[in-house]
Formats: sequence, C-alpha cells, structure tokens
Amino acid sequence: GAVVSQHPSWVICKSGTSVKIECRSLDFQATTMFWYRQFPKQSLMLMATSNEGSKATYEQGVEKDKFLINHASLTLSTLTVTSAHPEDSSFYICSARTGWGTEAFFGQGTRLTVV
Amino acid sequence: GENVEQHPSTLSVQEGDSAVIKCTYSDSASNYFPWYKQELGKRPQLIIDIRSNVGEKKDQRIAVTLNKTAKHFSLHITETQPEDSAVYFCAASRYNQGGKLIFGQGTELSVKP
Repeated sequence: GAVVSQHPSWVICKSGTSVKIECRSLDFQATTMFWYRQFPKQSLMLMATSNEGSKATYEQGVEKDKFLINHASLTLSTLTVTSAHPEDSSFYICSARTGWGTEAFFGQGTRLTVV
Repeated sequence: GENVEQHPSTLSVQEGDSAVIKCTYSDSASNYFPWYKQELGKRPQLIIDIRSNVGEKKDQRIAVTLNKTAKHFSLHITETQPEDSAVYFCAASRYNQGGKLIFGQGTELSVKP
C-alpha cells in the first residue's frame, strides 16, 4: 500500500511554545489530507481537512488559530500547535487518500507532550 | 453533524469463535464505510470496506454487511485468532465532503487462546 510518513514520532515541548508536525505522502499525490487527534483508548477525532493550495476546513470546536494547518504541496501537510498547553498533549495522526472511496493511509502518529 | 456510533466498546471471545461489531451512522448521504484495525502503538490499517451500492462484502475470515435503510453496518470476524486482538474502528464518509472519514468510538477486541 501507499506510505504516509509523519514526523516527529514524539515531541516534548514547554508550555507556551509552538510545535510543527509534518505529514508526507511518499509515493502518491494527496490533494487532501486529514488531521486527527486520538486520546488514550479513544477514537480518532477529526480536526481538519487539509486541502492543497487552499485553506484548511476545520471541524466544529477546533480552534483554527491554535492548530494551524498548511498544505504546501501535493505531498506535504503540516500541523502547527501554537502556544501549546498541557491540555494539548495528545496523539496526533494524519491520513491521506488519493480520492473518495479509496483507502485512507495513516501516518505513524505524533505523541505530543506539553510540560 | 455527522456521527457514527459503534458497539460494543470491548469484546472478548475465545479463539475460534466469531466476533461481531456494529456501527450506526447518522448522515444518510454517507456512501463509503471502511473498517480499520489498530494494534497497540501502531497506525490504523484498513481491513475491509464497503460502498453503499453493495449489501455485503467478504474477504476470507472478515465480512461486512450494510443496511442502508437502517443506517447501520457490521463487521464479522469468523474463526478468530489471538492476532486478531486489536482495536477496530468503523468509519463513514460521503463524496462531497472531500472524503473525510468520521470514525466510531472503537471496539477493543480480545481473543483468548
């Protein structure tokens, strides 16, 4: 299957700083990528849909100024957690699809810990 | 908004038995329904999917059924094996929303040898 690579796998940052997470589709072009947040033993909560060359579409309740998403190319989307606080600590995971009705491939996820 | 309900949250079966996980979706326009398996510490992996023009799909020990009228779909695993132990997620998607997947809450399946 296709490969989606996410970096870093884990990061620890101080409260008030910003953290950038990268999501890359290695062997296919993804016009759309998705960012999820997953709490321990819980579901994948969709945060936003990242569209190449345009603004991301955020789900209700997700602060767009806190979670900045940029889809710079057909193979790269980034999520920046700005002014991180301990409550932002979570597992963030991206996915990419080649189109509707096709398999969504997931990155390995990023464990963010804000101290 | 869209919502997918998944039950049960945990399921424990003996090796060789069958396991059934059920999901209900709220958006009647949903027309693509995948199932993902997530092992501990790993990324979700697609195990089977079904589109709304099909009522049932089978792949070896795994099958999915879809009832569009009732807006529910189910995952069936037969002859379960210990390596089937994982968290399973159902999801729903519709075409005109960029293909975003809305996931159910997940089912932690434990297969006891």
